[in-house]
Amino acid sequence: EAEVAQSPRYKITEKSQAVAFWCDPISGHATLYWYRQILGQGPELLVQFQDESVVDDSQLPKDRFSAERLKGVDSTLKIQPAELGDSAMYLCASSLRMGKDNEQFFGPGTRLTVL
Amino acid sequence: DQQVKQNSPSLSVQEGRISILNCDYTNSMFDYFLWYKKYPAEGPTFLISISSIKDKNEDGRFTVFLNKSAKHLSLHIVPSQPGDSAVYFCAARVNFGNEKLTFGTGTRLTIIP
Repeated sequence: EAEVAQSPRYKITEKSQAVAFWCDPISGHATLYWYRQILGQGPELLVQFQDESVVDDSQLPKDRFSAERLKGVDSTLKIQPAELGDSAMYLCASSLRMGKDNEQFFGPGTRLTVL
Repeated sequence: DQQVKQNSPSLSVQEGRISILNCDYTNSMFDYFLWYKKYPAEGPTFLISISSIKDKNEDGRFTVFLNKSAKHLSLHIVPSQPGDSAVYFCAARVNFGNEKLTFGTGTRLTIIP
């Protein structure tokens, strides 16, 4: 069964360092999402891509976070510099397309700990 | 501003009994609702959904009920099984535009053998 792949699964870094997460969506899925889930809360959308274009990045802290999906397939989320409050699970999801009733499939996530 | 609320952080149910998980929302623009299940160290997996034009949707042991006037939905699991122990997230979206999902805070369901 096709799955969304994410790496690394776990990342520990020190404050002010740079970190990067990678996501490979299900083959053929045009829409890709990055979510952040803080402990005890639900996932919150950071950025959404349709192919290589950003559709929604209204909740992305653009002073330190960046995301790209250069060829419209895999994607990278970067944080520079990392802060203590960035400790969270970072989830990637993909869907076949934008449109009504379209299901999002989630990857296993990257758990980030900032010391 | 929490637009989707799950007021019960945890729930314990005997195996074989009914599990009822509740979710409330405040945004009247939401017209599609989903339940996701999440095991530790895994991403959420889609469980069941319901459109606002319906008040019930059933899939095997899982049934979701929607009460639009009360802005409330619930997930019923009958009968509950040990493998149902997980965190359940309610999510909602406006079914046009970018399909952004707004999630609740989750309910941890524990099925007691």
